[in-house]
Amino acid sequence: KNEVEQSPQNLTAQEGEFITINCSYSVGISALHWLQQHPGGGIVSLFMLSSGKKKHGRLIATINIQEKHSSLHITASHPRDSAVYICVAVVLSQGGSEKLVFGKGTKLTVNP
Amino acid sequence: SAVISQKPSRDICQRGTSLTIQCQVDSQVTMMFWYRQQPGQSLTLIATANQGSEATYESGFVIDKFPISRPNLTFSTLTVSNMSPEDSSIYLCSGKQGMNTEAFFGQGTRLTVV
Repeated sequence: KNEVEQSPQNLTAQEGEFITINCSYSVGISALHWLQQHPGGGIVSLFMLSSGKKKHGRLIATINIQEKHSSLHITASHPRDSAVYICVAVVLSQGGSEKLVFGKGTKLTVNP
Repeated sequence: SAVISQKPSRDICQRGTSLTIQCQVDSQVTMMFWYRQQPGQSLTLIATANQGSEATYESGFVIDKFPISRPNLTFSTLTVSNMSPEDSSIYLCSGKQGMNTEAFFGQGTRLTVV
């Protein structure tokens, strides 16, 4: 079982819909990232959070440390939001260094 | 946050050849990493690029296959050596300016080996 699990794996929505992508992790983390990967492979960091909630435009990310769960929400979705969204856990490894553990991603398609 | 320029963005290579991928950061970063994303899979860490010393490789990855250079705090290269079709993947570099800081990523290199 992967240490970071995302759901759903694929998601298709109509323009304007509210989107939720979920991420559960089984390890202790110091932080969690949400990334957006475009079809060409390039990656943009959307959020890094270690508690609570962050908002940037139409994107909202929440994390519940006790439940080891994070969600990414997109309000008023648009076709340009179509991408793969990746959850990344920041884990402290032996020796005190950080290790990034990636989820497999959620492929979002927003139809006009 | 810093910006990483990664080149090339894509390439098609013959088996048996080598390809070097470059990442240039617009500011000094303490940590740089190289990842591989095989088709349909999640990103997997290849190695941590250490400035002025040998990279630290993850299990399953070796220096002879993936030599890495990091001559300073703004630049790193990854070479994929003696390529085979199984090396067809997206290769990605990332950087962090320290522990508990945001990670930022290059644009990725989509490699196809024929």
